Order: sequence, then C-alpha cells, then structure tokens
Amino acid sequence: DAGVTQSPTHLIKTRGQQVTLRCSPKSGHDTVSWYQQALGQGPQFIFQYYEEEERQRGNFPDRFSGHQFPNYSSELNVNALLLGDSALYLCASSSGQPNTEAFFGQGTRLTVV
Amino acid sequence: KNEVEQSPQNLTAQEGEFITINCSYSVGISALHWLQQHPGGGIVSLFMLSSGKKKHGRLIATINIQEKHSSLHITASHPRDSAVYICAAYNYGGSQGNLIFGKGTKLSVKP
Repeated sequence: DAGVTQSPTHLIKTRGQQVTLRCSPKSGHDTVSWYQQALGQGPQFIFQYYEEEERQRGNFPDRFSGHQFPNYSSELNVNALLLGDSALYLCASSSGQPNTEAFFGQGTRLTVV
Repeated sequence: KNEVEQSPQNLTAQEGEFITINCSYSVGISALHWLQQHPGGGIVSLFMLSSGKKKHGRLIATINIQEKHSSLHITASHPRDSAVYICAAYNYGGSQGNLIFGKGTKLSVKP
C-alpha cells in the first residue's frame, strides 16, 4: 500500500498563475482533506471531499477549488496566485467514518514568486 | 485564541532527557491525534487516542478528556527525535474538516 501520495513535491509559480496539486488517497479511503501550512504554523483546513462532492470548506477564498474523482483521488486548484499562497499543501485521507485515523501525504511545497 | 493550544512552542533538550509536550483544547472532541513532522514536510501519525494512555517504544501519549488535556512524552530522547510535534483534535462534524491542529512544538535534541 503506497499510502497517501501527492504530486508534485515542489513547485514554483509566478503571481497570477494557476496551479493544480494532486492527491491519491490511501487504499480503502474515500475522504480527502486538503490543508495549507504556512511556515512555522499548524495546518489550516481548506476543504474536504467525499463522494466527489465538497463536504466542508474552511475559510479560504473562492480562488481555491477542488475536485474528487470516482477513484477518490483529488485535485486542489488555486487561481490567480498570490505571494501569500506560498506554503506546504497537505492532503489527508480517511474512511469518512467518525474517529477513523487520517493519513497524510508528504505535501507539495508551493513557492509563488 | 486557538481551539488547540500546544506548549512549549520550542524545546531544546540534551540527548537522554525526558521530554514532555502539552496540548490543551477547548472544543468537544472525539479523539486526539499526535503527529510528527520532519523538515521537508511529511507528517507521520504517532498516536490517535480518545482516553487513557498509549505507548509505542520510547513514546507515550496520555489524554484526560475531563481536563481537555493531552501530553506526549519521549523517554531517553535522541537527536533523531528532532522534529515538529503537532497535536490535532478530532472534531467530527465540526466546521474544520474533522481535524483542528495546534501550531506545533519544535523539538531539537542535542547530542
């Protein structure tokens, strides 16, 4: 079992560009959550996908959007990139049932210049 | 005020020392997760617990639901334990996608 995999691992983009980050959940998991972690801070919840729909959303602007595919993999899209979007983006998968353990990917380090 | 607070923010220890990291939370939770994050970003799950105590090797985690407090202990610390330790509260059905994170405790163990 490969666990949670994210791609790419590192990315450099220019202000105003758009970016797509990808996540494959752990086998057997159907729920994917995305988090943004700024340097020196704890992860902040962006949104969660379950059954191909956004189930919950954190306090992030509409520039942040996502998608979940039938195989439960997920994408995070960020439009009109700002310097402040530079962060580590983490994906976590779980089974969607209460109290099931979340497993995390290695993250994608996004740098906006 | 964060719903999940950790202390200390930074911790430097000598190899062999006993280490304690504390986590307090103000929300109702169903379980609490201790995570380890090394430079480079990847997060590894250490423990998930909803009551009592769990032990794995030199790591021990305890939780007191009534006091809304959890601790992570590292016995006989080693330089390879140097990492950021994060506690995350499971708030199932809450507004933050189930997990509410603390800001982390950066641990540095010197040889």
